[in-house]
Amino acid sequence: ETGVTQTPRHLVMGMTNKKSLKCEQHLGHNAMYWYKQSAKKPLELMFVYSLEERVENNSVPSRFSPECPNSSHLFLHLHTLQPEDSALYLCASSQDPGGGTDTQYFGPGTRLTVL
Amino acid sequence: AQKITQTQPGMFVQEKEAVTLDCTYDTSDQSYGLFWYKQPSSGEMIFLIYQGSYDEQNATEGRYSLNFQKARKSANLVISASQLGDSAMYFCAMREGQGWDSNYQLIWGAGTKLIIKP
Repeated sequence: ETGVTQTPRHLVMGMTNKKSLKCEQHLGHNAMYWYKQSAKKPLELMFVYSLEERVENNSVPSRFSPECPNSSHLFLHLHTLQPEDSALYLCASSQDPGGGTDTQYFGPGTRLTVL
Repeated sequence: AQKITQTQPGMFVQEKEAVTLDCTYDTSDQSYGLFWYKQPSSGEMIFLIYQGSYDEQNATEGRYSLNFQKARKSANLVISASQLGDSAMYFCAMREGQGWDSNYQLIWGAGTKLIIKP
């Protein structure tokens, strides 16, 4: 595997379900990110982890719970979601989150549908 | 006010022609970085090119170049000799600050949907 991988690629869940999204980066990077991409809206940064510590949390509802057990893996735990949470969830990683030239590399995304 | 503006929601271009995708930005920082990403229908966001505010020359990466006009606060992406595989959404993004005072967060534009016609 190379780059950034995400599983599952597609997920359909009911509002009462609990599910998790997984992201893995094979680039040796130090930071990982979760983004939400809704139709006709700019990308929204949800969470940032640097060296496994959460450094940014952009007022995301508590029904989204991130977990970063090590610098290569990132999870997004989902519970009691709403239909408006249906979106493409993108994971990204970067080498040096404090550096201005730092470039984020993205995974293919998980297309989430909440019924 | 929007910090990143992409005024072209969609564009049709004939294969092999050059195409320019517009991006204007708004920041009061002297140090910032500008990025372009490509998103095919598969969903993955692919990094294309980066321009720093202090870079004196326009960035180039293969068929991609960035027409950086600092005074006008524009950072247009130019794709030379377009190919059918260039059909995708294209996003312009900015990070304010450079070096250790830079912001983690990228500010994203709404994107331009580019369709290459055979």
